[in-house]
Amino acid sequence: GQNIDQPTEMTATEGAIVQINCTYQTSGFNGLFWYQQHAGEAPTFLSYNVLDGLEEKGRFSSFLSRSKGYSYLLLKELQMKDSASYLCAVRVYNNNDMRFGAGTRLTVKP
Amino acid sequence: DAGVIQSPRHEVTEMGQEVTLRCKPISGHDYLFWYRQTMMRGLELLIYFNNNVPIDDSGMPEDRFSAKMPNASFSTLKIQPSEPRDSAVYFCASSLLAGGTDTQYFGPGTRLTVL
Repeated sequence: GQNIDQPTEMTATEGAIVQINCTYQTSGFNGLFWYQQHAGEAPTFLSYNVLDGLEEKGRFSSFLSRSKGYSYLLLKELQMKDSASYLCAVRVYNNNDMRFGAGTRLTVKP
Repeated sequence: DAGVIQSPRHEVTEMGQEVTLRCKPISGHDYLFWYRQTMMRGLELLIYFNNNVPIDDSGMPEDRFSAKMPNASFSTLKIQPSEPRDSAVYFCASSLLAGGTDTQYFGPGTRLTVL
């Protein structure tokens, strides 16, 4: 089966750095995605990793270790608008079938 | 591009009624997905299509749920009869042919409330 775990909630301070972890156990791994979802809105794409290592996109970075079944999303210079849920998703097999974690609700405080 | 379009945005109905949710994917996208999101269960894949053909419907909870994609620009998700436990936000998403960094683009969702 597919199992994707991430913390339920996190709190951080504006301007700080926060790391959101995701562990997964899936068969036929074919890429890991991070999505951001603000309350009442649709998920929007943040990052994608298929090979081990760090992918950086501005204030956001994502890391993947396939051997450990582990990824993290790193958010730097936190802003109030970063308060949202962050969803870890794994694509399985050679298609677009994606399985989502339950999401981590991040609250950024002044 | 207008993005993925869903209608209605909100639907309130009574138990036992038929509900039809609609989706228009991004033009040129070969894959279309239907998801359900609740606080308890998070985001769940219900069914997805490739080139209008259903590929995996293992996430469809019961026979009360059915989905169709009569052409490349339109899909429906139907619940008949609806029950209060079907209350959720239903998202439609689309993507290009599989592979690489291709990701899914989500519509704004339909918030369904079954009384």
